Amino acid sequence: GENVEQHPSTLSVQEGDSAVIKCTYSDSASNYFPWYKQELGKGPQLIIDIRSNVGEKKDQRIAVTLNKTAKHFSLHITETQPEDSAVYFCAPDPNTGNQFYFGTGTSLTVIP
Amino acid sequence: DSGVTQTPKHLITATGQRVTLRCSPRSGDLSVYWYQQSLDQGLQFLIQYYNGEERAKGNILERFSAQQFPDLHSELNLSSLELGDSALYFCASSVAGSNYGYTFGSGTRLTVV
Repeated sequence: GENVEQHPSTLSVQEGDSAVIKCTYSDSASNYFPWYKQELGKGPQLIIDIRSNVGEKKDQRIAVTLNKTAKHFSLHITETQPEDSAVYFCAPDPNTGNQFYFGTGTSLTVIP
Repeated sequence: DSGVTQTPKHLITATGQRVTLRCSPRSGDLSVYWYQQSLDQGLQFLIQYYNGEERAKGNILERFSAQQFPDLHSELNLSSLELGDSALYFCASSVAGSNYGYTFGSGTRLTVV
């Protein structure tokens, strides 16, 4: 199965700064790369995803970049705000529809 | 509101008891997934159903079982409960497989005392 690692496990940034979370995976067949955000007491929410035919995708202050050669993809959050404080999970998928495993999570704290 | 409905939101029960958690997927989604999240832990995949049939199993204990009904809602049954079963249980749905992204419900917090 897929080995998924996220780094860092915790991240603190000042409000307005940028945050980057990296997800590495082992299965070279992976071609769907989503990021989920889980706020305290809530279920995870899909915030952005990318497929392997695209190198980067942006949605307002968040972006995902993909390096298929190195087998990693990253979540970028710019101009961070306190409401960005949450746990973020990646879940790379080999497009079999049978990948159910999430990364270990990154706890992001944005300090006002 | 994500469109995935889980009930109940909270459940407190004693060791040895049996409980049933319920999930209604987002309209149009055929796949339902169950996940367990213990305190400060990640998301542990339990089981997947697709259009009424079991498709995949993860680290689901033999004391746990699930099913998906013709109307696509799903139930997770937990029996002979132990203190270690206390956790958040999430249901997620997707239109087909995991490569279309999940929509999660708000979870059921189970406390076993």
